[in-house]
Amino acid sequence: SAVISQKPSRDICQRGTSLTIQCQVDSQVTMMFWYRQQPGQSLTLIATANQGSEATYESGFVIDKFPISRPNLTFSTLTVSNMSPEDSSIYLCSGGLAEANEQYFGPGTRLTVT
Amino acid sequence: AQSVAQPEDQVNVAEGNPLTVKCTYSVSGNPYLFWYVQYPNRGLQFLLKYITGDNLVKGSYGFEAEFNKSQTSFHLKKPSALVSDSALYFCAVRVRSGNTPLVFGKGTRLSVIA
Repeated sequence: SAVISQKPSRDICQRGTSLTIQCQVDSQVTMMFWYRQQPGQSLTLIATANQGSEATYESGFVIDKFPISRPNLTFSTLTVSNMSPEDSSIYLCSGGLAEANEQYFGPGTRLTVT
Repeated sequence: AQSVAQPEDQVNVAEGNPLTVKCTYSVSGNPYLFWYVQYPNRGLQFLLKYITGDNLVKGSYGFEAEFNKSQTSFHLKKPSALVSDSALYFCAVRVRSGNTPLVFGKGTRLSVIA
């Protein structure tokens, strides 16, 4: 299994600012993804983080708003740019090994935008 | 496109009674099926998965799930519920191909009453 950590665990930010969330995996993983979850709701996939290339975004999410980096097989960042209250949510990093059909999740970053 | 349906928002069960959390799926091709549990203010924890083989899959904390291809279902079960099982449960699916992310159901809140 893989252990995934995220920083920060929570933050309160003012509208118009940006926040970068870091995701660290304790082992190399082939897959890394970023999800958004409203409290008590399901997970919505934001994008697939691709190592050394641009992330693949889902419908409704764009690079200018959610730039993602993945410089290696154990680390990724998600930036929430020009934040508005509608961006208040829990952001979850996920990683796993495709060949092992395993996907693990970080504890999440709880973001509140005021 | 792949999708997951969890028809029940809430399931209530008395402690010691058997529990079932329902899940049906829709994919083109053979599915990989997963169950995750989320406790308050925590990330998602992996419970079990079906990849191939025996239709009855056993997982963590005494949970099991039965894959039924004809009914496209993957219901989560436990013979005797504990109060500590109270949490939010997510069913997820992935098609059998490479680095594809999980698609989640909306979640079912399980409440076990002492």
